[in-house]
Amino acid sequence: GNSVTQMEGPVTLSEEAFLTINCTYTATGYPSLFWYVQYPGEGLQLLLKATKADDKGSNKGFEATYRKETTSFHLEKGSVQVSDSAVYFCALRHSGNTPLVFGKGTRLSVIA
Amino acid sequence: DVKVTQSSRYLVKRTGEKVFLECVQDMDHENMFWYRQDPGLGLRLIYFSYDVKMKEKGDIPEGYSVSREKKERFSLILESASTNQTSMYLCASSPIEPSYEQYFGPGTRLTVT
Repeated sequence: GNSVTQMEGPVTLSEEAFLTINCTYTATGYPSLFWYVQYPGEGLQLLLKATKADDKGSNKGFEATYRKETTSFHLEKGSVQVSDSAVYFCALRHSGNTPLVFGKGTRLSVIA
Repeated sequence: DVKVTQSSRYLVKRTGEKVFLECVQDMDHENMFWYRQDPGLGLRLIYFSYDVKMKEKGDIPEGYSVSREKKERFSLILESASTNQTSMYLCASSPIEPSYEQYFGPGTRLTVT
């Protein structure tokens, strides 16, 4: 079946450090890929998405590229801030009107 | 601005009680979802609905039921609450086209004692 695997956290970084959160997926065909973010005490919100191979999603300084050859969608940011501390979820939608399949989430803590 | 609201942020119930969690969206979305979120397990889909009066089981439907009598409202029901249902419950909605992007509510933290 379809599944998403993310690197386990927690990840702790100093402010202005480079961030990578790995995400790989298993799915047939061409799923759409998403990164969601959950700030403390809140629900999830969409951070970025990519709908086909080689697409790059970007938002708020975060980027992720849909790599079909490696079935990956790694999240990156060049310089993290304390305000980026949150839980990040990778997700896929396989096809048609189907629910998203989420990874287990990665908690990021950024310290000043 | 899109909005998904949940009836309570925090709820404490006793074992055996019947519990209703309500979710309302104001975006005229066709799809609505209920997830539970637990540490180390991520989000797990309980039920979803593609249309009024329609429902589909997700990955962990046991112990839960749902109701969707109106397009904007999707209720999760715990018929007889148990301590292993203590969790964070998240509701979401999405359109069918074009992006299927899911919009989430703030969550309800349910404690069953």
